[in-house]
Amino acid sequence: GAGVSQSPSNKVTEKGKDVELRCDPISGHTALYWYRQSLGQGLEFLIYFQGNSAPDKSGLPSDRFSAERTGGSVSTLTIQRTQQEDSAVYLCASSSLFYGYTFGSGTRLTVV
Amino acid sequence: GQQLNQSPQSMFIQEGEDVSMNCTSSSIFNTWLWYKQDPGEGPVLLIALYKAGELTSNGRLTAQFGITRKDSFLNISASIPSDVGIYFCAGQLNAGNNRKLIWGLGTSLAVNP
Repeated sequence: GAGVSQSPSNKVTEKGKDVELRCDPISGHTALYWYRQSLGQGLEFLIYFQGNSAPDKSGLPSDRFSAERTGGSVSTLTIQRTQQEDSAVYLCASSSLFYGYTFGSGTRLTVV
Repeated sequence: GQQLNQSPQSMFIQEGEDVSMNCTSSSIFNTWLWYKQDPGEGPVLLIALYKAGELTSNGRLTAQFGITRKDSFLNISASIPSDVGIYFCAGQLNAGNNRKLIWGLGTSLAVNP
């Protein structure tokens, strides 16, 4: 597609349940990033995929968070045993080699 | 994690006024980027700067890459109501193959018509 697509746009889940967030990057973009943005806050880096290299997972806040990128394209961010502090907007972005990111519109996650 | 110092944190101005915001870092960056985020949307790239001292304009927006490579500013001239949003600066190290950005915390801009 023309832009970065994220689904679902909104997700309400019960505390303790697992959730999966999906990101479809721009075709041909080799780099993919996940960020978290809490209400009124800046962007918190979570994980970065670059081509076939091992992902940079240094931003994942706990072992309940994991992400995969299949076939160098679609990525899934999984949060296990969700907690209320996980509530935030999860943003995905992709980039080509020579330019800045293009962001998706995000998934607003609410843990109740 | 590492963050940039972005200021001011928020601004409330009258339509037609000029706006200036800046970011500073203790680290040297090879690229500075400025993004704008509208409510309910992801940030959108406004201006990218690739060389120290570079001054780049995009319509009413002007941004500069500081000569020390540790700072950047963004100016908006003759503000209009649709300028409302959160503006983020980001620095890119381009170290090796790592293109991870370092982000400021944002400047929230409100424009009074």
